[in-house]
Amino acid sequence: GNSVTQMEGPVTLSEEAFLTINCTYTATGYPSLFWYVQYPGEGLQLLLKATKADDKGSNKGFEATYRKETTSFHLEKGSVQVSDSAVYFCALRYSSASKIIFGSGTRLSIRP
Amino acid sequence: NAGVTQTPKFRILKIGQSMTLQCTQDMNHNYMYWYRQDPGMGLKLIYYSVGAGITDKGEVPNGYNVSRSTTEDFPLRLELAAPSQTSVYFCASTPGGRDSLYEQYFGPGTRLTVT
Repeated sequence: GNSVTQMEGPVTLSEEAFLTINCTYTATGYPSLFWYVQYPGEGLQLLLKATKADDKGSNKGFEATYRKETTSFHLEKGSVQVSDSAVYFCALRYSSASKIIFGSGTRLSIRP
Repeated sequence: NAGVTQTPKFRILKIGQSMTLQCTQDMNHNYMYWYRQDPGMGLKLIYYSVGAGITDKGEVPNGYNVSRSTTEDFPLRLELAAPSQTSVYFCASTPGGRDSLYEQYFGPGTRLTVT
């Protein structure tokens, strides 16, 4: 079946470090891929998305590229800030699908 | 647009009590969802709806009921509250349809404690 596998957390980094959070998916066809972010005490909000192979989604300094050959959508940021501390969820959705499939989430903590 | 709104923000229930979590969206979205998120965990889908009058079970529907009489509203009902239902509940919506590129929009959540 369709699934999303994320890098297990928690991930702890120092401010200005480079960030990668791995996400791979198992699916047939061509889903759209998403990264959501959940700040403490809040609901999930969309961070970025990509709807077809080789697309790059970007927002707030974060980037992720839709790699069909490796079925991956890794999240990267060149220099993290304390304010990036949150839980990050990778997700996919198919056309005509009524549901989005979420990964288990990766908790990120940034030390000043 | 207010987006997805949820009430109440917090609630404490005694075992066996019942309550309704309210969810309203003003974006004219067809699809709506209820998730629960236990501490330190990911999201689990409780129920979802693809339009007014249509609902379906998700992964963890036991102990909950839903209805969808209008496009805007999707209330979640707990009939006999149990400690295992202590969680944060999120409502979400999406335009739906055949296009996969639309993301889900989430409400701020309801934190429920059952003691």
